[in-house]
This record gives sequence, structure tokens and C-alpha cells, in this order.
Amino acid sequence: EVQLVESGGTLVQPGGSLRLSCAASGFTFSSHWLHWVRQVSGKGLVWISHIKTDGTITNYADSVKGRFTISRDNAKNTLFLQMNSLRAEDTAVYYCARGGTSSSIVGLDYWGQGTLVTVSS
Amino acid sequence: DIQMTQSPSSLSASVGDRVTITCRASQGISKSLAWYQQKSGKVPKLLIYAASTLHSGVPSRFSGSGSGTDFTLTISSLQPEDVATYYCQKYNSAPWTFGQGTKVEIK
Repeated sequence: EVQLVESGGTLVQPGGSLRLSCAASGFTFSSHWLHWVRQVSGKGLVWISHIKTDGTITNYADSVKGRFTISRDNAKNTLFLQMNSLRAEDTAVYYCARGGTSSSIVGLDYWGQGTLVTVSS
Repeated sequence: DIQMTQSPSSLSASVGDRVTITCRASQGISKSLAWYQQKSGKVPKLLIYAASTLHSGVPSRFSGSGSGTDFTLTISSLQPEDVATYYCQKYNSAPWTFGQGTKVEIK
């Protein structure tokens, strides 16, 4: 069974940093692109970032470019999101999601339960 | 960046009705479009990818069509369990932008 479990969300002050983790199981982690998506309470889904199977390609939404860094550890089946210079508008539930493989893109077919990040003084 | 615009923002229909949601891309994206369903308080679920391919386990009353800039998600016979917000997402290139969502309710 595919499982994605996020952790690391908490209350942090504006300007602070936080690292989110997403532990994966039930599939060949190193074969899939992985994504972060966030959602402000009561609002829509916002794509944040993705990373290629081997970590050599990363992309970001303009809203987080230069502040957030996505990475992965294929040996530990874990995805990360390093969040720096946090702002109040970064307050949201952050989901990790599984993308396709290098040969097949099928959208985001599995999602974690999400972890809540609150940026407030 | 390519923008994704869904319409309507919300709709109310009766059980058994045919429901159609539209997603428009500001530039052509071929068939690189997915649809998701998110029920209140739950995690989004993939319904359709490649504009028209049903994801495993998704009921056949859901269907997708379109290519280029105009796409449609259709629920052929609305059921009470279909109450949710539906999102389109483009994935031809980064950023993988979502539409703003369409909230579907039962009349």
C-alpha cells in the first residue's frame, strides 16, 4: 500500500525557517517524481514544487522561489521541503504527493494527509 | 506562466443530473491535464489524467475530455457522494498550476 506521511509542521515566527519531511513507503521511491502542494484553510490547492526521481531537476512556484528548497533522500525514502524566510501567507496545510515516473506522467496519484504550518508571531 | 480557469466556481444540481465543469488553459497544454476531487476535510484524490483517462478505482460516471486549451469534467449522473470541490491541474511543464476549484453541491 502506498503511503506518504508528512511531518514537521508547527507554529513558527515570521522570518523563521522550518523543514518538512515526507516519509514514503509501499512503492519504489526512487522511480517517482515527488511534489509539494499547499492549501490555505478554506481555499484552493496551490502547487509549490517538484523534484525529479534522482533529484537533478527541481522547480518552484514563483511565490516560494528563492525561499523554499525541495530535496529527497532516495536511500531513506524521504522527501523534504526546507522553508526559509517564512511569511504569514505561507500558513497552510502542506501535502506531499507522488507524481509519475520518468516514462509516465499521470498527475498526482497519491497524497499524504498533510502537515499544518502556521506562520505567526 | 499558463493560467488555469475553471467554471463555474460552484454549482448545485439534483441527484441523477448530468454535471459539467470546464477548465480553460491560457495557452495550449495538449492533453496534459488532470482532475481531482476533494471532499470536505479530506485529501485530494486523482480522478482523471491525460485529460480523459480514468484513474484506477474511479467510478465510470466520471469522464473527461478536451485538448489544447479547453477541457471538461463530466459526472453523468450526480450522486450524493460526489459532493466535493473539483480541481483541474495542468502538467505539461512547471509550474503545475491548479484551477481555482469548482464546488459541487446537491440541490
